[in-house]
Order: sequence, then structure tokens, then C-alpha cells
Amino acid sequence: GQQVMQIPQYQHVQEGEDFTTYCNSSTTLSNIQWYKQRPGGHPVFLIQLVKSGEVKKQKRLTFQFGEAKKNSSLHITATQTTDVGTYFCAGRNNDMRFGAGTRLTVKP
Amino acid sequence: DSGVTQTPKHLITATGQRVTLRCSPRSGDLSVYWYQQSLDQGLQFLIQYYNGEERAKGNILERFSAQQFPDLHSELNLSSLELGDSALYFCASAVGSSGNTIYFGEGSWLTVV
Repeated sequence: GQQVMQIPQYQHVQEGEDFTTYCNSSTTLSNIQWYKQRPGGHPVFLIQLVKSGEVKKQKRLTFQFGEAKKNSSLHITATQTTDVGTYFCAGRNNDMRFGAGTRLTVKP
Repeated sequence: DSGVTQTPKHLITATGQRVTLRCSPRSGDLSVYWYQQSLDQGLQFLIQYYNGEERAKGNILERFSAQQFPDLHSELNLSSLELGDSALYFCASAVGSSGNTIYFGEGSWLTVV
């Protein structure tokens, strides 16, 4: 069945450093979504990518969808303490499958 | 506030028991998703309903079942509970059956003792 792998599992950075999380699917995806879950909270939608090679930016966040529509990445430039949380990718084929998430901690 | 309402927020029950978790989707959303989140397993997709019909099935155990009612609210039934079923159960809703933003509720914390 469809598998969505996400790495790294954990990332600890100093405030101001960059952060990247990667998502890989075993099958071609129709779209991929990214979510952020703050500690103690619920996942909140960040963005959806649909087109091959698509790149979208939200302030310090850059999202990419691979040419083959099987991988994606989220890059945060100059992390802030407010970026703390777990970032999930969710790939859609026949259904939506979430990656295991990358837990980001930021040291002030 | 996502507009998705889940009850109860917390539940403690004994092994072997049965519980029902309830979800009211956002107004206008036809899809309801159920996810299980445990400490070491991330978000596990259980099942999706769309306009009352089962749309997709994930890693849902046979001891678990769900349904979506004509008013579009959904229930997740968990039976013969085991310690390992302790987790946060999220309901989420979306307008369509695929390719839409999914809005999560705040979850129902289930503790099996």
C-alpha cells in the first residue's frame, strides 16, 4: 500500500538556523499537504502542493513538490521559537497518508 | 477553532470495554476522517467517510468501526479495548472527498487502564 516516509524524526536547532524536513512517497501522489502541530495541539493545515515541481512560499517557509510528485520538502529559514512543533506531510493517492512527522525544537 | 467538534475530550476506561467517540464536522463539510495518534506512531489514518458512505480505509482494526450519519456527524466505536489503544483520536473534516484542506478537531484522549 501507499507509504509516506518523513525524515528526520527530530531536529533541534539554534534560533536563527535553518530547518528542513523531507517527505518521500512510495507511489506518485496527486497532491501533498503540510501540517503543523504545536505541542498539545492539533494538526493545522499549512499548504497544499499539486503540480509537479511546484514551489510555494509563506514568509520564512518554502515548500517544494518534486518533479515526479513522489517527494516534497519544507524549509524554514532563520527559525524562531514560534516555529516549535511537529511538521507533518500528508500525501494523497487513493487516500491521505501522513508521514511520521518531524519534531522541531528551537533553542533561544 | 477549526469548527470540528469532538466529544468527549478525555475518557478513561478499562480493558475489554467499549467506547464511542463522536465528531461533528465543520458546517458544509461532507468528508469525515478519523486518525489515531499515539506517542510513538504519529498520525495513523483509520477511515474516511464521505456523505454517509465509506470512502477510504486505513489501518483500522476489526475491533473498531465507524459510521457517518445523515446529518453528517460521525462516530468511532472502539470495542474490546486493550492498553495499546490508549491514544489521541482525531476527527477531521473536509468539503470534498479528496484534494481539499482537512480541518482537525482538538481530539479525544482515550486512556485504557
